[in-house]
Amino acid sequence: DGGITQSPKYLFRKEGQNVTLSCEQNLNHDAMYWYRQDPGQGLRLIYYSQIVNDFQKGDIAEGYSVSREKKESFPLTVTSAQKNPTAFYLCASSARTGANSPLHFGNGTRLTVT
Amino acid sequence: AQSVTQPDIHITVSEGASLELRCNYSYGATPYLFWYVQSPGQGLQLLLKYFSGDTLVQGIKGFEAEFKRSQSSFNLRKPSVHWSDAAEYFCAVVLNNAGNMLTFGGGTRLMVKP
Repeated sequence: DGGITQSPKYLFRKEGQNVTLSCEQNLNHDAMYWYRQDPGQGLRLIYYSQIVNDFQKGDIAEGYSVSREKKESFPLTVTSAQKNPTAFYLCASSARTGANSPLHFGNGTRLTVT
Repeated sequence: AQSVTQPDIHITVSEGASLELRCNYSYGATPYLFWYVQSPGQGLQLLLKYFSGDTLVQGIKGFEAEFKRSQSSFNLRKPSVHWSDAAEYFCAVVLNNAGNMLTFGGGTRLMVKP
């Protein structure tokens, strides 16, 4: 079955450490996205990529970095500069950009930083 | 600034009762409108979307939503709720010239009483 795989499901890190969250899709989608979810705040866009080797900042990119070296992979690094990294992180993809191309979501990674 | 508001953070209904979840948006033009559902610890699943045409749209799992331009609303409805509908529901919008950059509401958590 095609889909989006995020790993791990739970991740624990000490403050001051960088951590990378994995996102892989086998849907052959061009566009990929990272969202952060906090209780009561919905989802906020961190970064998105419309094509390999290209990505753009979303609304809350500070303290995060991404890469898009392969079409199927869009890892997110939460750096020590992110002031409040504990959250639920969701990766998504769409066949192309454009509102008529629906987003498919992974099952998320819950990151806890202490 | 564009925004999406879901006024109800929590809603509890009895199984078999009808349901309406509210969503209001603030945009100058008519955006594309979406409803997503999220089960605990999972990603988001698209329930339905509105782009144009008939203002009453049907979705999966027996849900429907009505776009009312005069009220800037896109409320989600279901005639008879099942216990399995307990989840968090997100309204989202995107301007038709903004690629796939969804703006999400804060979500409404639905609880279903037996």
